[in-house]
Amino acid sequence: DGGITQSPKYLFRKEGQNVTLSCEQNLNHDAMYWYRQDPGQGLRLIYYSQIVNDFQKGDIAEGYSVSREKKESFPLTVTSAQKNPTAFYLCASSISGTGGVYGYTFGSGTRLTVV
Amino acid sequence: AQRVTQPEKLLSVFKGAPVELKCNYSYSGSPELFWYVQYSRQRLQLLLRHISRESIKGFTADLNKGETSFHLKKPFAQEEDSAMYYCALRGTGNQFYFGTGTSLTVIP
Repeated sequence: DGGITQSPKYLFRKEGQNVTLSCEQNLNHDAMYWYRQDPGQGLRLIYYSQIVNDFQKGDIAEGYSVSREKKESFPLTVTSAQKNPTAFYLCASSISGTGGVYGYTFGSGTRLTVV
Repeated sequence: AQRVTQPEKLLSVFKGAPVELKCNYSYSGSPELFWYVQYSRQRLQLLLRHISRESIKGFTADLNKGETSFHLKKPFAQEEDSAMYYCALRGTGNQFYFGTGTSLTVIP
């Protein structure tokens, strides 16, 4: 069953702690993305990666970090420097170099709450 | 600047009525536009893309370069169309820019 899997579904974090959100895909997609979804603000891009061992900052990268050591995996770390981390986080993947014809495949999301 | 604007946060229509979800974009190149939909308790998924000129679930969207718009239309709304709809623009580097979304409610 091909797809993109995010875990955990719900995550609670204490202030001052780093936390890592998992994103795994078995679609053989080259590109992977992290978005943050807030009410009334739509989806905002945090980081994206077009190829293994390479990634670029999106519009709201401050307070976040990523790695892309494997094609299948693109974990996102929310650091203590992120001032407002409570949000819904979406991971997505796409086939690079296709002209965007197929768009994104999205994960089911992780809801992070800072307590 | 690359930007997608969806002016309506909420839209309610009666079942059987026509529906139009507005989307305007800003992009200097040749745009590639998409509509994504998120039904209740489901993941965000691709609804349609302008390059395919397709009709999915009765929805169509025409790219109007003169008005820089990509409005989503359906002649007769159904209850199962109630969902959150996002317009998206594929920008440079295969990066997508999303609008803020429109929540559509179809009233029985």
